[in-house]
Amino acid sequence: EAGVTQFPSHSVIEKGQTVTLRCDPISGHDNLYWYRRVMGKEIKFLLHFVKESKQDESGMPNNRFLAERTGGTYSTLKVQPAELEDSGVYFCASSQIRRGQGNSDTQYFGPGTRLTVL
Amino acid sequence: GESVGLHLPTLSVQEGDNSIINCAYSNSASDYFIWYKQESGKGPQFIIDIRSNMDKRQGQRVTVLLNKTVKHLSLQIAATQPGDSAVYFCAENIGDSSASKIIFGSGTRLSIRP
Repeated sequence: EAGVTQFPSHSVIEKGQTVTLRCDPISGHDNLYWYRRVMGKEIKFLLHFVKESKQDESGMPNNRFLAERTGGTYSTLKVQPAELEDSGVYFCASSQIRRGQGNSDTQYFGPGTRLTVL
Repeated sequence: GESVGLHLPTLSVQEGDNSIINCAYSNSASDYFIWYKQESGKGPQFIIDIRSNMDKRQGQRVTVLLNKTVKHLSLQIAATQPGDSAVYFCAENIGDSSASKIIFGSGTRLSIRP
């Protein structure tokens, strides 16, 4: 079974440009999460999709970030316009929904996209 | 607020020795913890988890201990091998299966001396 995949693995852009990151979750996983780690900081939650719906987007830093999951399969995270402080590693994770078992969804992470904004 | 934190940013152990990585958390209501391993160029990989109704859980060469009285958990790796070199994160999974998120600690980099 393929794991979570992310594209691209690296992206270098200039300040003010737009970048779109893609995540393909494990097949059959309805939960999809985005996290990021900026320089020197912990990995931070950005948002959570259940199928195509945004369940929790409390971690999104500002309105320059737009996440979509049309059709409930892969997801994209667009940064427009990118700023220097957006540099970091963006991780995607997915999990199955397990009803009746509380917070028991094991999240499987992709390799991340390293974003560098110059 | 939500907070998990590791005691040491780095840890160096001799190959074959046991490794112990410690972590503290602040919320006494926390009930689900996970340890992740992150190797260079990869995403966090699930190692083992533990719920608050347990104080110990064992996996293959790994053991997680949870002390709710002092809000502390630890990851023990037996007979540490070169492949164990990585950054280890303790994390808390908050919410439920319909709306959960992971709160990560800062990570401990484990290095192995030959």
